[in-house]
Amino acid sequence: QLQLQESGPGMVKASETLSLACAVSGGSTSSTLHYWAWIRQSPGKGLDWIGSVYESGSTKYSPSLKSRVTISMDKSQNLLYLDVHSVTAADMGLYFCARVGYCSGGNCHAYFHYYMDVWGRGTTVIVSS
Amino acid sequence: QSVLTQPPSTSGTPGQTVTISCSGSGSNIGTNTVSWYQQFPGAAPKLLIYSNNQRPSGVPGRFSGSKSGTSASLAITGLQSEDDSEYYCAAWDARLDAYVFGPGTKVTVL
Repeated sequence: QLQLQESGPGMVKASETLSLACAVSGGSTSSTLHYWAWIRQSPGKGLDWIGSVYESGSTKYSPSLKSRVTISMDKSQNLLYLDVHSVTAADMGLYFCARVGYCSGGNCHAYFHYYMDVWGRGTTVIVSS
Repeated sequence: QSVLTQPPSTSGTPGQTVTISCSGSGSNIGTNTVSWYQQFPGAAPKLLIYSNNQRPSGVPGRFSGSKSGTSASLAITGLQSEDDSEYYCAAWDARLDAYVFGPGTKVTVL
C-alpha cells in the first residue's frame, strides 16, 4: 500500500528557504504512470497546488509561485523535495505531497486526466519574523 | 480568486440528495477532466471522483460526478452524517498550465 510522509523543520524564518521532503513507501517514484505533486493549505483556506514532478525530472509550477519554488526528486531514495525561497507569512500552512494519476480506463493522457489519488498527512509550516 | 467557482456552502438532512456545482471555463473544465476531493478539518484531502465520473475503489456509490460543457457537479445521494465535510473540485487549466482547485463547498448535514 502506497504511503507518503512529509517532513520538514516546522518553523522557518521570514526571507529564508523552506525545505520539505516527502518519503514514498510501498511504491516507486520511478513509476511512469504517475506524477508527484505538492499542495498547500493556508490556515482556514482552500487547497493550493504548488507544482508537480515526473520521473524524468520535468516539472510544472503554479504561476504564482514559479519564481520561488523548486520541486525535485531522488528516485534512488524514493524521496520528493520542495524548496520555497524567500518565505513570508503568506507561506505558512499545511503542506501535502501527493501521487498524481493521469490514466483513466486505460487511457493515459497527461493533464487531460490529472488527479491526486494518494496523499500524505501533511506537515505544518510556521514562518517566524 | 479561483478560476473555478463553487458555492460556499450547502446543507441537507440525512437521506436527501445534495448537489455541488463547479463552474469553470473552456481552458479548464471545458478541456480537461474534473476531480472532486473531500476534506475533514486537519486531515488530508481524499479523492472522491476522478475523470469527471469515476469513483476510486472504496468510495461509496452515493457519490457521483458529472460534467457538461464548462461546468461539473458532485451529487451525494442518500446523505449521511459522515458526509458533513468540505468538498473541492479541480481540473488542469491549459491556459495557466497549472492545476486549479475550486474554493471549496462546506456540506452540512442537518
